[in-house]
Amino acid sequence: DGGITQSPKYLFRKEGQNVTLSCEQNLNHDAMYWYRQDPGQGLRLIYYSQIVNDFQKGDIAEGYSVSREKKESFPLTVTSAQKNPTAFYLCASSIGWARHEQFFGPGTRLTVL
Amino acid sequence: GESVGLHLPTLSVQEGDNSIINCAYSNSASDYFIWYKQESGKGPQFIIDIRSNMDKRQGQRVTVLLNKTVKHLSLQIAATQPGDSAVYFCAEVGGAQKLVFGQGTRLTINP
Repeated sequence: DGGITQSPKYLFRKEGQNVTLSCEQNLNHDAMYWYRQDPGQGLRLIYYSQIVNDFQKGDIAEGYSVSREKKESFPLTVTSAQKNPTAFYLCASSIGWARHEQFFGPGTRLTVL
Repeated sequence: GESVGLHLPTLSVQEGDNSIINCAYSNSASDYFIWYKQESGKGPQFIIDIRSNMDKRQGQRVTVLLNKTVKHLSLQIAATQPGDSAVYFCAEVGGAQKLVFGQGTRLTINP
């Protein structure tokens, strides 16, 4: 089956630690995205990548980093510089940039203890 | 700046009735819109999209209406079922070519 997978589903982190969230897609999509969702809120764009080996900051990139070394993978690192990292993180991909339907993964819920 | 908002944060309807979820957008240059459904603890799921050269598009039990004059988008769900209970988001492709999401409307189906 084609789709997007995110792991782990739940993640706990101590303050001051970096943590990396995995996102993999086998849809052969060029574009990938990371969003953050807080309770009762919409999605806010953290980083996006239009094509492999390229990525751009979204609206709330501070305290986060990404890489896009492979077309199918777009890992997100939440660094200790992110002041309020507890949230639901969603990865998405699309055939092309912006005007195409984005397919979402199941999400990772990160809790900082 | 760009924003996509919803008129009502919550909506309760009786099972079998039709539901209408509304969305206002601010960027008159936006030309692509999507409705997503998000069930609790899951990622958003695509429902239907519409481009600005259309004012109506129908899917299975869903219809999206676009009124560019007043910058308004709506999602109509026919004969709502318990499985339709979820949060519904509208999203637009704004001037920066990025998808901008609204806050969402929680739809509850009463038996």
